[in-house]
Amino acid sequence: GENVEQHPSTLSVQEGDSAVIKCTYSDSASNYFPWYKQELGKRPQLIIDIRSNVGEKKDQRIAVTLNKTAKHFSLHITETQPEDSAVYFCAASSPGAGGTSYGKLTFGQGTILTVHP
Amino acid sequence: KAGVTQTPRYLIKTRGQQVTLSCSPISGHRSVSWYQQTPGQGLQFLFEYFSETQRNKGNFPGRFSGRQFSNSRSEMNVSTLELGDSALYLCASRGIGGTLFFGSGTQLSVL
Repeated sequence: GENVEQHPSTLSVQEGDSAVIKCTYSDSASNYFPWYKQELGKRPQLIIDIRSNVGEKKDQRIAVTLNKTAKHFSLHITETQPEDSAVYFCAASSPGAGGTSYGKLTFGQGTILTVHP
Repeated sequence: KAGVTQTPRYLIKTRGQQVTLSCSPISGHRSVSWYQQTPGQGLQFLFEYFSETQRNKGNFPGRFSGRQFSNSRSEMNVSTLELGDSALYLCASRGIGGTLFFGSGTQLSVL
């Protein structure tokens, strides 16, 4: 089955710096790669996603890049702010069985991002 | 549109008991997935239901089971609880685009 590795497990930056989180996946058929942010005591929430037919996607201060050949994708946060402090999860999903578009979503282990004022 | 609703929010049980957790997906979503979240293991996939049928299954023992009703609401059951089952259980419904929308979870403590 799919295996997703995420690094680093913790990341500490100063406000205004950039943060980069990297993930690798094992299933070359994976076609959907979302990133979730989970604040303390709250539910995971989607912040950005990318599909396998796109190499890069950007939404204001966050961007995701995908390298299908190397089977890795990364989250980039620029001009970090204290409210960016949270746990970030990457995930990968391959096409589902029986003609369904999406199979199960496999998550990385998470990265605890701390942004110091 | 109401989000994913999970009940109860907190649950305390003792070893050997069983527990049932409930999840109501976003209106119109037919897929419901369940995840176990623990500090050391991250988000572990339990199973996914679509139109009352289990579509995918993770690597959990048979003590973990689920079902989905015709209105897409889902329940998860854990029998013969063990201390290691203490975790946050998250339910998520999936839209057409593949995005998972999570509920707030049920925090289960097994004593």
